[in-house]
Formats: sequence, structure tokens, C-alpha cells
Amino acid sequence: AQTVTQSQPEMSVQEAETVTLSCTYDTSENNYYLFWYKQPPSRQMILVIRQEAYKQQNATENRFSVNFQKAAKSFSLKISDSQLGDTAMYFCAFMSSGGGADGLTFGKGTHLIIQP
Amino acid sequence: KAGVTQTPRYLIKTRGQQVTLSCSPISGHRSVSWYQQTPGQGLQFLFEYFSETQRNKGNFPGRFSGRQFSNSRSEMNVSTLELGDSALYLCASSLAGWGGNEQFFGPGTRLTVL
Repeated sequence: AQTVTQSQPEMSVQEAETVTLSCTYDTSENNYYLFWYKQPPSRQMILVIRQEAYKQQNATENRFSVNFQKAAKSFSLKISDSQLGDTAMYFCAFMSSGGGADGLTFGKGTHLIIQP
Repeated sequence: KAGVTQTPRYLIKTRGQQVTLSCSPISGHRSVSWYQQTPGQGLQFLFEYFSETQRNKGNFPGRFSGRQFSNSRSEMNVSTLELGDSALYLCASSLAGWGGNEQFFGPGTRLTVL
């Protein structure tokens, strides 16, 4: 079974700063997918970014980018020019490519607070 | 395109009762997955349905069950409720459920067991 670890329970930064959220995972598989989800106070889970393990290029989506280190099993999320609306819980998640027998495996989450 | 809908949004039950939660996926999506979110255990996978068949199941007791209808709508049922079943139950729909297909989440059903 896979495990996902987020070592930062809470982070707080000033608006417009850059922040990096950490995520490590453990798997014996070679092909898989990694995701970052955002859950604001409304509790609606929103996909922020995804990465296919077979792609070496790091995924980017506007102000969000990842640093994917496959050998180190590390998948960090960088948020540039942070905004008040980025305040939320952020979950790192793993899914096998071969059918998702365990569905999405989530980390415990990082509560990100953007201060004005 | 309408998003994933879940009903009811809030539910209060007492121990020993049973409950049924409903999830309507995005039109065209055939996979529906269910997750339980609690402060202690975080987000945990319950099960996944595809074309009316349970394809995958997480590590939950048999009191948790589900089904999927021909229109892809899904229900989950929890029998003999326990206090520990109090949680936010999220469903997610996707085109095929695997291959990294994006999973779109509903707003959740908040279940409180007294």
C-alpha cells in the first residue's frame, strides 16, 4: 500500500510571498499519478495540479508549480505571488496508474494561511 | 456542465440507525468514488463504482456499502451507525476512475451521529 506524508501541519505567509508545501510518498510502483488538491473552508475539494510519474518535466498551472523528484519520492508544491484566496487546506494525493485499487491516497494535509 | 451533487448536505442520526447518502456525478462520468474525511483519520477511500459494479474497496467494515445505478448515480449506505462514523463524506466522479483521470469532488455530506 502507498503512503503519503505531509510534514507541515500548518504554514503562514504574507500575501504576495512564495510558499512551498512539502510532500513525500512511498510506493513500489513505477507508474503512478500525483496530485495536489485544495480544500477551502467551503470543504469543496479542488484539483490544483497533477503530475504523471513518467513525465520528467514538472507540471505548472499559472502560479502553481511542482518539484517532482521521483528517485527521492518527493512532490512539493510551490505557490508564487500568494493571494488571500489561497488560504485553504492543501492535500497531496497519490493514485496508481493501474486501476486505482486504493483510490486516491491522501496525506494529512497542510493548512496554509495567507496573511494580508 | 453541472458539477457533482450530493444529497443531503447535512444529516443528524443516532447510534444504531442507518443512513443513505446520494451522489450524482457529472454527466458522462461513469466512475464514482466515495471518501470519508475525519479530523483524526483524514481522507480515506471507501469504494469505487464503475458501470454499476464495485471495482475497488477500501478498508472499511461491511456496515459501509454502496451501489451505482444505470445513470451512474451512486448511493452509499451505513448501517448500525456508530459515533465514529461522524464525518464528511465526499464523492468524486471521473470519466474512467483510473489512468490519472481527474476526479471531481462534490460538496460533501456532513453526517453527525449522536
